[in-house]
Amino acid sequence: ILNVEQSPQSLHVQEGDSTNFTCSFPSSNFYALHWYRWETAKSPEALFVMTLNGDEKKKGRISATLNTKEGYSYLYIKGSQPEDSATYLCASKTSYDKVIFGPGTSLSVIP
Amino acid sequence: DTEVTQTPKHLVMGMTNKKSLKCEQHMGHRAMYWYKQKAKKPPELMFVYSYEKLSINESVPSRFSPECPNSSLLNLHLHALQPEDSALYLCASSQESGGFYEQYFGPGTRLTVT
Repeated sequence: ILNVEQSPQSLHVQEGDSTNFTCSFPSSNFYALHWYRWETAKSPEALFVMTLNGDEKKKGRISATLNTKEGYSYLYIKGSQPEDSATYLCASKTSYDKVIFGPGTSLSVIP
Repeated sequence: DTEVTQTPKHLVMGMTNKKSLKCEQHMGHRAMYWYKQKAKKPPELMFVYSYEKLSINESVPSRFSPECPNSSLLNLHLHALQPEDSALYLCASSQESGGFYEQYFGPGTRLTVT
């Protein structure tokens, strides 16, 4: 994988459902993986920065895992709420000073 | 204060105009970034400043000229832009450059070139 890819492109879930989506990144020359949440008309907000293989991070109902050997990270949202509706971006640091963003997963939580 | 501010929020300019975008942070961050974001695409890195020095220019056309007058301020000077330069311009800052620190983003400037 040469680019940062995310799947699915968009997702609609019912309130209360748990969901997850994937970020795939180049596994060679891996340095760090970022997750951001971007709500409409707001600034992107950092969720996690992960650096170690096997890292798991958690913030409230949102958690993320990292597999640097195979080049993927999962973001999980437990018990989705309407306020979780946003685009979730991951970004991979593959060289000095630079992170490359994926195209994002757009999540809509239906009340 | 964990805020990055950007002015103006919206800007409409003609192809012969000269304008500037401004970004400010007071978190003591030593790295600042300019990104360009087109609809339904991820943010695309344009420039990185580290300790007030330009460290990355992603082959951005010279009609975009960045400036970092001090550690809190980042400007983007615009001249002779093209309609395809219309986009959301995001500024961000982080504690240090290098990609190991989360970036704090401003709300962006929506630029329309007519």
